[in-house]
Amino acid sequence: ETGVTQSPTHLIKTRGQQVTLRCSSQSGHNTVSWYQQALGQGPQFIFQYYREEENGRGNFPPRFSGLQFPNYSSELNVNALELDDSALYLCASSLPGGNEKLFFGSGTQLSVL
Amino acid sequence: LAKTTQPISMDSYEGQEVNITCSHNNIATNDYITWYQQFPSQGPRFIIQGYKTKVTNEVASLFIPADRKSSTLSLPRVSLSDTAVYYCLVGDMNEAGGGNKLTFGTGTQLKVEL
Repeated sequence: ETGVTQSPTHLIKTRGQQVTLRCSSQSGHNTVSWYQQALGQGPQFIFQYYREEENGRGNFPPRFSGLQFPNYSSELNVNALELDDSALYLCASSLPGGNEKLFFGSGTQLSVL
Repeated sequence: LAKTTQPISMDSYEGQEVNITCSHNNIATNDYITWYQQFPSQGPRFIIQGYKTKVTNEVASLFIPADRKSSTLSLPRVSLSDTAVYYCLVGDMNEAGGGNKLTFGTGTQLKVEL
């Protein structure tokens, strides 16, 4: 158990819809990162939030957006869902610093039909 | 970010030592090496991290040669429960701001049999 919780665990949406995924970070961690993991692939970095500000972004379009709240929990929002957005979405919390270990939640499995 | 290359899959038997080697030829001075383990339908879990020479913890050892262009994760006496995907990552320890922003490759699928 990492102390990082994600909700919901599974979600089914249709193309064009919008989705919000939620993450509660481990106690004491003020940094949250979001990853997308397609079947058979490694997790791909979407973006990171540090002290409620976006602090780095991977190669994902603007329809992927996020928020971090004062209690360090976070949301990932995806607009105009596409079939290729079907994946496991992972949230990881950490302390600030380039070599801090990431603590992952179990993820949200999103299926877009 | 330094690119990493590791075998797609490896097979082993219970009780054996498993060594997974990762190549990172363009590793930079400030880069450190981290390994994660992932089971199906779970997020990756930190195993070990190092910068040079050898690091050992309760679950694994990490060997890094002097040129740091590769690293080897060593799992002693594996069991069935070690069947998982293992990822090698290289990242800048001096990354500004919060946390690290590592991107994972496709990893090595380790299968342990009786």
